[in-house]
Amino acid sequence: AQKITQTQPGMFVQEKEAVTLDCTYDTSDQSYGLFWYKQPSSGEMIFLIYQGSYDEQNATEGRYSLNFQKARKSANLVISASQLGDSAMYFCAMRERGANSKLTFGKGITLSVRP
Amino acid sequence: KAGVTQTPRYLIKTRGQQVTLSCSPISGHRSVSWYQQTPGQGLQFLFEYFSETQRNKGNFPGRFSGRQFSNSRSEMNVSTLELGDSALYLCASSSGQSSYNEQFFGPGTRLTVL
Repeated sequence: AQKITQTQPGMFVQEKEAVTLDCTYDTSDQSYGLFWYKQPSSGEMIFLIYQGSYDEQNATEGRYSLNFQKARKSANLVISASQLGDSAMYFCAMRERGANSKLTFGKGITLSVRP
Repeated sequence: KAGVTQTPRYLIKTRGQQVTLSCSPISGHRSVSWYQQTPGQGLQFLFEYFSETQRNKGNFPGRFSGRQFSNSRSEMNVSTLELGDSALYLCASSSGQSSYNEQFFGPGTRLTVL
């Protein structure tokens, strides 16, 4: 069964600095997708970035990049030049291949950006 | 393009009642998934509908049910509400063509059961 682990306690980062949010996963499938979502206090989940298991390059989307290490089964999110608006919960998620697969989320990490 | 909408945004019910939540996906999206989010259990998958058919189901009791209409709008119903059903219910839509299509979430319905 697929599993996502996010074990960092609340994270703090100074505005304009970079921060890495950790995510490890477990799956027996060779084909899967990894996602990161942001959830501000308003509750809405915002899609940030996607990485496919066969993608050779690490995904990047603006200030977000995904440090994908397949052998270690880790998919860490890197946020560069943190902004106050980045303060939120961040969820790592995975979905295996197949129409009957489901998106499984980790417990999330709270990020606070300090001015 | 309008995003995913969910109604109502907030709901207060009492134990034993039933509730119906609604989700309108992004135009053109055929897949709708439902999640329950609680502080203790985190985000848990309820079910996914694609072209009016339930494609996948999580580990929830039969009191939780859903359906999808021909216009891709979806409803979720919870019967005989329990205190533990208090949660944020999130709906997400995707094109559904691939397992790897990103899901776009609505603002959620916050259900409180008294």
